[in-house]
Amino acid sequence: DAGITQSPRHKVTETGTPVTLRCHQTENHRYMYWYRQDPGHGLRLIHYSYGVKDTDKGEVSDGYSVSRSKTEDFLLTLESATSSQTSVYFCAISDPRLATDTQYFGPGTRLTVL
Amino acid sequence: GNSVTQMEGPVTLSEEAFLTINCTYTATGYPSLFWYVQYPGEGLQLLLKATKADDKGSNKGFEATYRKETTSFHLEKGSVQVSDSAVYFCALSPAVANFGNEKLTFGTGTRLTIIP
Repeated sequence: DAGITQSPRHKVTETGTPVTLRCHQTENHRYMYWYRQDPGHGLRLIHYSYGVKDTDKGEVSDGYSVSRSKTEDFLLTLESATSSQTSVYFCAISDPRLATDTQYFGPGTRLTVL
Repeated sequence: GNSVTQMEGPVTLSEEAFLTINCTYTATGYPSLFWYVQYPGEGLQLLLKATKADDKGSNKGFEATYRKETTSFHLEKGSVQVSDSAVYFCALSPAVANFGNEKLTFGTGTRLTIIP
């Protein structure tokens, strides 16, 4: 499973509150990704990172920010959560040491914004 | 841009039936193609992949052949089991390798239910 964990696994919050989701990996993988999964949309890329302090936007980055101060942790922050951000969030890694174009996924975080 | 279109679900089959889930793509050059599977309550797992035209990916009895002429990567299995019930995603990675930072484009997913 490429040593990926996500926390929390489930969270319910209220509109307007900040939320931070954590992705943690233990095997020094270089690239990390955050996706959201919604019915009818499959998975869509929010942000990704290609190293410590190196991040970039994906196709649905509005309302989200990320940080990667250590190789093992990639944080996704919703500064002010909205109901449209209710979703399942997946973290993924890729690593040239494994295969250059294959991503491995964490177990997901189900977020509900009331 | 790149895109992946896969057949709408849900798909319900009886055990031991033949399965096909269609997937077509739009991309320049020769992307890599993937099928991922998501079992209930879990993350996505790589099921199989193919990296060039006419390649066949296979795993756990599932197969898919990279067809450049029809831009397709249909998933097949000859005899499905109840344990194959899951959501299946087709995906592609761009043709130009970027030192492991290829960004995947996913289809919308097909939910498969196998009844005994």
